[in-house]
Amino acid sequence: DAMVIQNPRYQVTQFGKPVTLSCSQTLNHNVMYWYQQKSSQAPKLLFHYYDKDFNNEADTPDNFQSRRPNTSFCFLDIRSPGLGDAAMYLCATSRDRSAQETQYFGPGTRLLVL
Amino acid sequence: GENVEQHPSTLSVQEGDSAVIKCTYSDSASNYFPWYKQELGKRPQLIIDIRSNVGEKKDQRIAVTLNKTAKHFSLHITETQPEDSAVYFCAMDSNYQLIWGAGTKLIIKP
Repeated sequence: DAMVIQNPRYQVTQFGKPVTLSCSQTLNHNVMYWYQQKSSQAPKLLFHYYDKDFNNEADTPDNFQSRRPNTSFCFLDIRSPGLGDAAMYLCATSRDRSAQETQYFGPGTRLLVL
Repeated sequence: GENVEQHPSTLSVQEGDSAVIKCTYSDSASNYFPWYKQELGKRPQLIIDIRSNVGEKKDQRIAVTLNKTAKHFSLHITETQPEDSAVYFCAMDSNYQLIWGAGTKLIIKP
């Protein structure tokens, strides 16, 4: 059964055109993470929500925003995508806000910017 | 800041042989060391993890060893099979997040 779901799996957008990626979870986990992963690199944490508490990483560009309207859903908004934002975007969840909790990843959304 | 160095970046082994991937870290406060496997185009999946109160953990063909004094930990895969081909990432805990190694591409030659 799918536990962390991401939609769409592939997203094509135009340079500068806002785009929203979606993540949902059936695990009822408190924490939801958004990672950016570029080819052959490790996932890079953009931000995370601990319940409703939003935590931005210091080096995450302002172009990236996130919303978590309820426990199950979390969105990644890219306000003005540039060519450098083309990547795989991974959503993950964990039960609690500790790096010692297992993180469960969604299948990812591959973003292409034209 | 905290970081994890992972070696080698690419590892090619004959099917049936063993593979070893090593990671060294700088943050002595870290206590949790997971390993993730990521097949091409798929999500990272946790395959094994180890906490600082043990030195070794095994799960069938996969084992992880930890040397806290020397600040390094290793992934061992025995009797490698074609389905072991993937990128493997080590990681460690630092505050509320994971610090990831750069990844090792494991190639299993038939």
